[in-house]
Amino acid sequence: DIVMTQSPLSLPVTPGEPASISCRSSQSLLHTNGYSCLAWYLQKPGQSPQLLIYLGSNRASGVPDRFSGSGSGTDFTLKISRVEAEDVGVYYCMQGLQTPLTFGPGTKVDIK
Amino acid sequence: EVQLVESGGGLVQPGGSLRLSCVASGFTLSSSWMHWVRQAPGKGLVWVSRISSDGSRTVYADSVKGRFTISRDDAKNTLFLQMNSLRAEDTAVYYCARYNIGQLDPWGQGTLVTISS
Repeated sequence: DIVMTQSPLSLPVTPGEPASISCRSSQSLLHTNGYSCLAWYLQKPGQSPQLLIYLGSNRASGVPDRFSGSGSGTDFTLKISRVEAEDVGVYYCMQGLQTPLTFGPGTKVDIK
Repeated sequence: EVQLVESGGGLVQPGGSLRLSCVASGFTLSSSWMHWVRQAPGKGLVWVSRISSDGSRTVYADSVKGRFTISRDDAKNTLFLQMNSLRAEDTAVYYCARYNIGQLDPWGQGTLVTISS
């Protein structure tokens, strides 16, 4: 199974400031289509996970452009250019290359 | 609008059974690979099972293999998860989700399964 790790696990943020979360996989997530099968999700309190980024760097429909994803192979980063209060929750990375699909442990983002 | 709605959760005694349902709207299940993911209270996301678009191929997490069965009824555009021999550690919110290359989207709102005597 592909093991996913994230850092940090807790991230207090100041509104208006940038934030960054790192995700690493134990194997390359490169698909034959040339993209990395890495997705980012935000789970707000009491809600189901919502897709933010797919194939490593593509923003999902309706996701604000302050969110961006980068990386390839085994190392990935989610960046928020200017955090807003509505961005609080738990962020998960997920590898979608092979079953079992596996998730990182989550990064809890809250306001300082 | 593409949407998934789960149902069927509840309180069951250890050793009991439940069948979860996931009704899809805005797209046809027969063209999609579908997954179940669960989340124990206060914990992270854990993949449970997957079924291929034609229903011929299924895969399970080791923790549920032999106890859970994923299936679909394309006429009703509905995905199922039959859960037998339930254990306390199966307590979780269960989500269904559609797979596209490298991603799960959308997810349903989840249905809570509680195993307790």
